[in-house]
Amino acid sequence: QKEVEQDPGPLSVPEGAIVSLNCTYSNSAFQYFMWYRQYSRKGPELLMYTYSSGNKEDGRFTAQVDKSSKYISLFIRDSQPSDSATYLCAMARTVGGSRLTFGEGTQLTVNP
Amino acid sequence: DTEVTQTPKHLVMGMTNKKSLKCEQHMGHRAMYWYKQKAKKPPELMFVYSYEKLSINESVPSRFSPECPNSSLLNLHLHALQPEDSALYLCASSQPTGGTEAFFGQGTRLTVV
Repeated sequence: QKEVEQDPGPLSVPEGAIVSLNCTYSNSAFQYFMWYRQYSRKGPELLMYTYSSGNKEDGRFTAQVDKSSKYISLFIRDSQPSDSATYLCAMARTVGGSRLTFGEGTQLTVNP
Repeated sequence: DTEVTQTPKHLVMGMTNKKSLKCEQHMGHRAMYWYKQKAKKPPELMFVYSYEKLSINESVPSRFSPECPNSSLLNLHLHALQPEDSALYLCASSQPTGGTEAFFGQGTRLTVV
């Protein structure tokens, strides 16, 4: 079993839709959670970073963490064609710096 | 400024060549990382440097040789690579304490012929 499971894509939505992306994890040592956006042939861009259960909002993006269920989500409101990318969840432990364990990634397409 | 700069952006090398990938950050981060990413897969950790010392080597073949000359620079020396080593090589940096935000460069797309 993988330490981090991410819902497989591809996911295709119309412009303006609310997008929900999810990851589950099995290792309770993971205490820090990140979402990255990666455009084709580019490096991952950090979108959201959180370390506590609950919600964190930044513009159209909301990150949600439920440590008791070992479940994290990223919501994108009013999705735009420019949001079309691969979204990677990533997790880190309390030691070892930010040695990240990634989910497989979800490829999102937002259609105009 | 959260920029991590990698050079070159693209590299084509033969199996007998020696080349180096370079990474630079000026965020004052004391941990730097090399990841390898194959198409449609997530990044896989290769090496971690903490305070300029190699702290993690994820059983990477010796044809990949990392170097951290100072706290801002990270190199990856390549020698006698195989075609299956073709991938996007990503550098990242963060504070060395657990679970801080990690920032990635744009990567070097390596093709081994």
